[in-house]
Amino acid sequence: DVKVTQSSRYLVKRTGEKVFLECVQDMDHENMFWYRQDPGLGLRLIYFSYDVKMKEKGDIPEGYSVSREKKERFSLILESASTNQTSMYLCATSRTASSYNSPLHFGNGTRLTVT
Amino acid sequence: GNSVTQMEGPVTLSEEAFLTINCTYTATGYPSLFWYVQYPGEGLQLLLKATKADDKGSNKGFEATYRKETTSFHLEKGSVQVSDSAVYFCAIQTGANNLFFGTGTRLTVIP
Repeated sequence: DVKVTQSSRYLVKRTGEKVFLECVQDMDHENMFWYRQDPGLGLRLIYFSYDVKMKEKGDIPEGYSVSREKKERFSLILESASTNQTSMYLCATSRTASSYNSPLHFGNGTRLTVT
Repeated sequence: GNSVTQMEGPVTLSEEAFLTINCTYTATGYPSLFWYVQYPGEGLQLLLKATKADDKGSNKGFEATYRKETTSFHLEKGSVQVSDSAVYFCAIQTGANNLFFGTGTRLTVIP
């Protein structure tokens, strides 16, 4: 079974802080994703990566950046946290870059509160 | 463009009731279709999928059929249990990194 581990379940940060959300997977998947989940809006893609050091913007990249230095690790960075970034953040992986029916495997999420 | 519309919740049912959660989509080309489930306090996990027209995905007593003519992928279960209480997401995938989710439907099953 694929295991996708997000380093924190809950985080509370202050406005203006730099925030790092970490995600590690153990199944050698090429693709990794960061989503945020908000009530009534479903899941929105922030960034994704299909290979080490490669990244692509998703639907809502503003205020975020990412880092993928190793295949198994994908970090989401909030450069200067704001209250509108309070949300549930979900990391996901999928198996191959060439397949359009590879399902996503999700971590348990990090609930971030920015005060 | 690509989008997914699913039934708004919340949905509350008694145990052993029949469940339908409607999902329709718009897509270019021939997408793969998925239902994901999110149990309380957890991330999403794949419930079932279908990759071509008339395919039926099934898992844990849930079923959904890929209906190309009506662009639908409705989720059904004949007899729900309390343990099925969760949020259900319909999703379509049109490319390796082109995945679109619905807004989710919260199901609560009461004993």
